Amino acid sequence: TQLLEQSPQFLSIQEGENLTVYCNSSSVFSSLQWYRQEPGEGPVLLVTVVTGGEVKKLKRLTFQFGDARKDSSLHITAAQPGDTGLYLCAGNQAGTALIFGKGTTLSVSS
Amino acid sequence: DTGVSQDPRHKITKRGQNVTFRCDPISEHNRLYWYRQTLGQGPEFLTYFQNEAQLEKSRLLSDRFSAERPKGSFSTLEIQRTEQGDSAMYLCASSHVGQGYGYTFGSGTRLTVV
Repeated sequence: TQLLEQSPQFLSIQEGENLTVYCNSSSVFSSLQWYRQEPGEGPVLLVTVVTGGEVKKLKRLTFQFGDARKDSSLHITAAQPGDTGLYLCAGNQAGTALIFGKGTTLSVSS
Repeated sequence: DTGVSQDPRHKITKRGQNVTFRCDPISEHNRLYWYRQTLGQGPEFLTYFQNEAQLEKSRLLSDRFSAERPKGSFSTLEIQRTEQGDSAMYLCASSHVGQGYGYTFGSGTRLTVV
């Protein structure tokens, strides 16, 4: 069974702070994706990483895929209230559907 | 294209009744996925189609659940003899075939079984 474990489960911070969310597994993934979900809506894709060691930046968000393709991290610089939401990591192996972690609920207060 | 559409957005049903949900994917996407999500959890995989073929089905999926994609376009998910434990958000997503393609999700159908 492929399991993706995310930590922390909840994060409450002040505007302007930095944070990192982790996604770990004992399995190797072909690709790993990060999504953001708001209440009552479906997840929205933020980024896809496919190469071990890959780093991608999306404005204030930095995503890294572990060298062994078993883990990933999401770093947010200078968090803003608009970053509030549920952050989900998801991975798959060739030919299979994505499996999701339980998510990290982020709350950024001004 | 307006993205992935799901209907209805909300459904309240009595225990024991059957319910059916519809999903219209992005037209050029040939893969369609169904997930279930409960409060505080990530989406849980149910099943997926490539065109009209159902390629994978979760081993955790009860026999009361069935999905179809008859013409490789829209899909339906039916739950027979609903139970209170079926209460959840049912999410549909579509994507291109191939490694690394992200999923586009619909807004989901919120099912409440009373």
